[in-house]
Amino acid sequence: GENVEQHPSTLSVQEGDSAVIKCTYSDSASNYFPWYKQELGKGPQLIIDIRSNVGEKKDQRIAVTLNKTAKHFSLHITETQPEDSAVYFCAASRNTGNQFYFGTGTSLTVIP
Amino acid sequence: DAGITQSPRHKVTETGTPVTLRCHQTENHRYMYWYRQDPGHGLRLIHYSYGVKDTDKGEVSDGYSVSRSKTEDFLLTLESATSSQTSVYFCAISRTELRDTEAFFGQGTRLTVV
Repeated sequence: GENVEQHPSTLSVQEGDSAVIKCTYSDSASNYFPWYKQELGKGPQLIIDIRSNVGEKKDQRIAVTLNKTAKHFSLHITETQPEDSAVYFCAASRNTGNQFYFGTGTSLTVIP
Repeated sequence: DAGITQSPRHKVTETGTPVTLRCHQTENHRYMYWYRQDPGHGLRLIHYSYGVKDTDKGEVSDGYSVSRSKTEDFLLTLESATSSQTSVYFCAISRTELRDTEAFFGQGTRLTVV
């Protein structure tokens, strides 16, 4: 099956700085890569995703990049705000079976 | 929350007792999933369903069973709960089954086995 690795496990940044979280995957058949944000006591919430036919996608302060050759993808958050503090998960999936494989999460703290 | 309701939200049970968690969706989606979340492990798939009475195992299915008799309900059963099954359990649904697959999660059930 797929193996998704995520780094770093914890990340602290000053408000206004950028944050980058990186993931690698093992299954070359994976073609869908979502990112989830989880706040304390809540379920993961989809914040952005990218498909294998695209190299980069941006939504306001959040962007995701994908390198299929190297099998890695990254989440970039610019101009961080305290409300960005949460745990972020990357995931990988392929159409067959629609199973999602998750990374182990990154706890992001934005220091005011 | 994509129309997903998990019940109960919290439960404490004793070792060896059976436990059933319920996931209910209001949007008639085909795919439903049960994940468990543990520190250092992220989210791991227990079982999933691709239709009524159609289910399959995930990566951590031992000790768990599921049933889906109606499109809207997906039940997760711990036949004989163990302390290692203390976890937060999340139900998820896939909005589509085509290439544009997205998964949305419920609020979770915190289960403690004592």
